Amino acid sequence: EDKVVQSPLSLVVHEGDTVTLNCSYEVTNFRSLLWYKQEKKAPTFLFMLTSSGIEKKSGRLSSILDKKELFSILNITATQTGDSAIYLCALIQGAQKLVFGQGTRLTINP
Amino acid sequence: DVKVTQSSRYLVKRTGEKVFLECVQDMDHENMFWYRQDPGLGLRLIYFSYDVKMKEKGDIPEGYSVSREKKERFSLILESASTNQTSMYLCASTTDSTDTQYFGPGTRLTVL
Repeated sequence: EDKVVQSPLSLVVHEGDTVTLNCSYEVTNFRSLLWYKQEKKAPTFLFMLTSSGIEKKSGRLSSILDKKELFSILNITATQTGDSAIYLCALIQGAQKLVFGQGTRLTINP
Repeated sequence: DVKVTQSSRYLVKRTGEKVFLECVQDMDHENMFWYRQDPGLGLRLIYFSYDVKMKEKGDIPEGYSVSREKKERFSLILESASTNQTSMYLCASTTDSTDTQYFGPGTRLTVL
């Protein structure tokens, strides 16, 4: 069965720390891996990764995909309280069908 | 900007009631999806639709049905609500040319 596993499930750090969130998968066939940030309501799109080894960056956030070792990481540097959220990883199979991980709940304490 | 709206943010229903959750998108997207989100389980796909009047089962369709009579609207129906259907329900849409799904704000459904 296709599976996406995120770790840790929950993480609490202090403002200014750097965090690394993991997403590993056992999916035989997928087109892209997506990262979302979910605060109180709808998930908002962060990154789409299609090729292995190419880092994507947006401000303090960056992400990379390793298709050989079957994982992706999401890095957040100099964390702020506004980074507190659930971070979701998902793989796209077939025609836009997503398989999601359980999510990582990140809490940034001031 | 893509806008996906859901009919209710919070809903409380009784066991056995028929429940309708509505989702509307304004960007002429072909594909629409219904997920439920539960702690520790992430988002799970209930049903999706690639076109008007077309529907496909997702991973957990039992106890649910859907309707897509118009392109912009995708409805999720709980024929006879049960307490284990208490959850956050998220609708999403996407077009064929992109992999990014746009989500609605969610409906938190409580079944008593």
